[in-house]
Amino acid sequence: GAVVSQHPSRVICKSGTSVKIECRSLDFQATTMFWYRQFPKQSLMLMATSNEGSKATYEQGVEKDKFLINHASLTLSTLTVTSAHPEDSSFYICSGEGGPYNEQFFGPGTRLTVL
Amino acid sequence: DAKTTQPNSMESNEEEPVHLPCNHSTISGTDYIHWYRQLPSQGPEYVIHGLTSNVNNRMASLAIAEDRKSSTLILHRATLRDAAVYYCILSPTGANNLFFGTGTRLTVIP
Repeated sequence: GAVVSQHPSRVICKSGTSVKIECRSLDFQATTMFWYRQFPKQSLMLMATSNEGSKATYEQGVEKDKFLINHASLTLSTLTVTSAHPEDSSFYICSGEGGPYNEQFFGPGTRLTVL
Repeated sequence: DAKTTQPNSMESNEEEPVHLPCNHSTISGTDYIHWYRQLPSQGPEYVIHGLTSNVNNRMASLAIAEDRKSSTLILHRATLRDAAVYYCILSPTGANNLFFGTGTRLTVIP
């Protein structure tokens, strides 16, 4: 299957700082990328859908000014958690759409801990 | 979004077949049935998907009931590496976003 990478794999930051997470499709072009959040022992929750070159579409309840998404190229999307607080601590996972069935290929996730 | 219902957990012995059920009684005619799995501390992985006919690939088989209100993911010989949470997700034709339910946690016993 196609490969998606995320950087960093884990990050610890102080409350009030901003954190940027990168999501790259390494061997395919992803017109559409998705960002999910997963709290411990819970399922994935879709946060937003981003299309290359246009604004992201956010799911209900997700603050677009807090979770800034940029999809500047067909292989890179970034999620910036602005003014992070402890309740933003979570496992953030991205995916890119590709393959013969337009299936989603997921990154390995980024574990964010806000102190 | 059409809902799916899966058992919270299942166990299987290593090298035995595993049948993971999914109920989706409110499925519409244009909904595809997708299966993804998530190994511990990793992102999910695509397993298989189908619309009406049964499907086979190198990872698994998908058996879809004639009325499409249920489906079963079949792992032909479970290995320890198949221990994961398996998600059954419905997605309408043309839609590309996935809404994950709680899934089934599969434990494989050596």
